[in-house]
Amino acid sequence: KNEVEQSPQNLTAQEGEFITINCSYSVGISALHWLQQHPGGGIVSLFMLSSGKKKHGRLIATINIQEKHGSLHITASHPRDSAVYICAVFKAGTASKLTFGTGTRLQVTL
Amino acid sequence: ETGVTQTPRHLVMGMTNKKSLKCEQHLGHNAMYWYKQSAKKPLELMFVYSLEERVENNSVPSRFSPECPNSSHLFLHLHTLQPEDSALYLCASSQNRGTDTQYFGPGTRLTVL
Repeated sequence: KNEVEQSPQNLTAQEGEFITINCSYSVGISALHWLQQHPGGGIVSLFMLSSGKKKHGRLIATINIQEKHGSLHITASHPRDSAVYICAVFKAGTASKLTFGTGTRLQVTL
Repeated sequence: ETGVTQTPRHLVMGMTNKKSLKCEQHLGHNAMYWYKQSAKKPLELMFVYSLEERVENNSVPSRFSPECPNSSHLFLHLHTLQPEDSALYLCASSQNRGTDTQYFGPGTRLTVL
């Protein structure tokens, strides 16, 4: 079992829908990182958070440390949001080692 | 554009070849990373460099040899690879080693025949 689990693995939504991607982890962490990977491979960092909630445009990231769970929400989804969204955690006590989930493939259709 | 570039973007090599992947960051960062992304598997950390010193080798086979000549450049030298080494190899950098945000390059898609 992976230390970082994401759900769903695949998600198809219609333009305008509200989307939630979940991340659960089984280890102590110092921070949780959301990344976006477009076709072709390039990865962009979206959020890093260790508590509470962060918002950037239509994207919202939350984390519940007690429940070892994080979520990424996309409001008013758009086809350009289609990508793989990856959750990664910095395990407590490891200075720089990110542990990654397998990603959620999102397809937003018109 | 994340400020991290990688060359080449695509590479096909035979098992007896020697090749190198190059990563350059224009962000003034002190830490650089190599990751491997295989199909249907999570990203795996390979190496971490901090201030040009290798600080982590995540049990990577010796056929992969990293080099960090200065804080802006990182190389991954490849020799006698196996077909199962075919993957996307991603470079990243961060201000310092630790929980600083990592900025990724576009990756090199490697195919080993």
